[in-house]
Amino acid sequence: DIQMTQSPSSLSASVGDRVTITCRASQSISRYLNWYQQKPGRAPKLLIYAASTLQSGVPSRFSGSGSGTDFTLTISSLQPEDFATYYCQQSYSTLWTFGQGTKVEIK
Amino acid sequence: QVQLQESGPGLVKPSETLSLTCTVSGGSISSYYWSWIRQPPGKGLEWIGYIYYSGSTNYNPSLKSRVTISVDTSKTQFSLRLSSVTPADTAVYYCARSRDGSGYYYDFDYWGQGTLVTVSS
Repeated sequence: DIQMTQSPSSLSASVGDRVTITCRASQSISRYLNWYQQKPGRAPKLLIYAASTLQSGVPSRFSGSGSGTDFTLTISSLQPEDFATYYCQQSYSTLWTFGQGTKVEIK
Repeated sequence: QVQLQESGPGLVKPSETLSLTCTVSGGSISSYYWSWIRQPPGKGLEWIGYIYYSGSTNYNPSLKSRVTISVDTSKTQFSLRLSSVTPADTAVYYCARSRDGSGYYYDFDYWGQGTLVTVSS
């Protein structure tokens, strides 16, 4: 199985801050990496696919980068609606797996 | 706009079979992968498996012996059966669509709202 490890598990930030979340794969997954945002009681929402492509309708303050084993999700200027939990997901292997999540909280 | 809606019992007894259906509206079921994903209360996401519209399947090995996913293209529905459930199977169950080709790498671009299934006697 390919293990996906996110860091940090949680963070506190203020509106306007630049936030970076890291996702590391236990083996190379090329660019088969997607990012999701989940708010309490809601289904996850696709933000970034193929490591760096912004899903239609997602604000441009979200960006993704990386390939191989190390990936990053960046929020350039945190907005009130961005407080949520973020998950990475790999689809390189036949067993699709998620990271454990990163909770972004208000400082 | 594509919409997915899960339906099925919210309470299942231990050792019985959990059965859920996802109805797809606003779009074709063809040429996509259709997955079930679950999330235990307060925990992370676990992919259960997918079915391609043609009927081919791929399951999470940790659940493979208990899972069956099927599709009914005429009804634009796909279904999940999970046998021999225990309280550890209590979770919100989501259905979701995946796409590939043209730069897509099996992301989940549309999700159902999720349905809580509790396993308890």
